[in-house]
Amino acid sequence: AQSVTQPDIHITVSEGASLELRCNYSYGATPYLFWYVQSPGQGLQLLLKYFSGDTLVQGIKGFEAEFKRSQSSFNLRKPSVHWSDAAEYFCAVGPTDSWGKLQFGAGTQVVVTP
Amino acid sequence: SAVISQKPSRDICQRGTSLTIQCQVDSQVTMMFWYRQQPGQSLTLIATANQGSEATYESGFVIDKFPISRPNLTFSTLTVSNMSPEDSSIYLCSVEDETLEAEGYTFGSGTRLTVV
Repeated sequence: AQSVTQPDIHITVSEGASLELRCNYSYGATPYLFWYVQSPGQGLQLLLKYFSGDTLVQGIKGFEAEFKRSQSSFNLRKPSVHWSDAAEYFCAVGPTDSWGKLQFGAGTQVVVTP
Repeated sequence: SAVISQKPSRDICQRGTSLTIQCQVDSQVTMMFWYRQQPGQSLTLIATANQGSEATYESGFVIDKFPISRPNLTFSTLTVSNMSPEDSSIYLCSVEDETLEAEGYTFGSGTRLTVV
């Protein structure tokens, strides 16, 4: 069965500290991988995506993610967190052979403290 | 990337009534997706809407409860019928976005529905 796991429901990080959000997936083949951010009361914004090629992907707002096939993981990182990064982060996977539905993880709520 | 306008942004509705949510895209897209995000939960796909054909519903969602229209390549509606408090959620539309190479999926800002 296909699944996306975000082990951390809630993370608190100090402003300026580094952040890593974990994502593991179970899928028939290597899927397309996405990270989205949802700020309070907002829709979803795409941070970055992995389709193929370089396994280290750069995204917007200073985020990056690394695809590790052997670990079925796609962890999101940011070297220095800003207060505006407080939000909910969702990892998602989608099929590679056609446009289709995304399967989302449960999300990780990030709180940034001064 | 594609720009999605979703209306209304929020609404408070009486139980037993219906609400129609509109999703307008600024470019033609083949597939549109409707998701539900229940309070404190992740997103769950309700259905996929292709122009010119019936929507395809995911397990647990039925057409009578969530009828969908897709009259053209830039517009879709989702109706939440005979609402109950359990339908209180954020409803989001999404499209495949090919405006940039392998862009991914773009989401509307969502409709926050409260049923009282």
